[in-house]
Amino acid sequence: KQEVTQIPAALSVPEGENLVLNCSFTDSAIYNLQWFRQDPGKGLTSLLLIQSSQREQTSGRLNASLDKSSGRSTLYIAASQPGDSATYLCAVQGGKLIFGQGTELSVKP
Amino acid sequence: NAGVTQTPKFQVLKTGQSMTLQCAQDMNHEYMSWYRQDPGMGLRLIHYSVGAGITDQGEVPNGYNVSRSTTEDFPLRLLSAAPSQTSVYFCASSMNRQDNYGYTFGSGTRLTVV
Repeated sequence: KQEVTQIPAALSVPEGENLVLNCSFTDSAIYNLQWFRQDPGKGLTSLLLIQSSQREQTSGRLNASLDKSSGRSTLYIAASQPGDSATYLCAVQGGKLIFGQGTELSVKP
Repeated sequence: NAGVTQTPKFQVLKTGQSMTLQCAQDMNHEYMSWYRQDPGMGLRLIHYSVGAGITDQGEVPNGYNVSRSTTEDFPLRLLSAAPSQTSVYFCASSMNRQDNYGYTFGSGTRLTVV
C-alpha cells in the first residue's frame, strides 16, 4: 500500500528565505508526482507535475525534484513571500492519486 | 472557464437525510474521482471512475454511492447522512488513469451533518 509522508508538518520562515519542503513515498512504481497548493478554506491548485521519467520541473520561483529510486521529492521555493503562505500537498499517481498530509507554510513579513 | 464544477459549495444536512453532491467537468477527461478532506486525515479517496459506466471503490467508500452515466458528470450520493460524514468533499478529474497532465480539482463542497 502506497504511503506518502510530508515533512515538516508546519514551517514558519521570514520573508526572503529559500526553503525546501519534503515528500517521501513507499512504492516507487508511480506514473507521476504532483505538488498542490491549498489556501485556507479553498480548493487545490496544481503547482508542478513531474513525470516518472523526469528528475525535476520548474515554474517561476518553484522547483520540484523527483528521485523515484529513493522514493523522495522536494519542492524548493526561492525568495519566499508572504503570499506563499498556504498548505503544500504532494500526491503520487500510481493508479490512484495518494496524498501526503501536507506542510503548512507561513512566511512572515 | 474549463474545469471541474462542484455544487453546492455548502450544505447542512440532518442525520438520516440523503443528498447528491454534483461534479461536472468539460475537459473530456476519462478519469474522475471523489475525495474527502478531514483535519489530521488528509485527502482520502472515496470512489473513482475510469470512464462512463465504470466505477470502483477507493479507501473510504462506505455510506456513499456513485454512478457515471456520462463522461462529464460524476455525482456522489450520501444515502443516509451521518455526523461522521461531515467533511469537505473534492471532485477531481484527469485525462486518464495514468495521466501525464495532472489532476484538476473542483473548489469543494463543505458538508455539515447535524
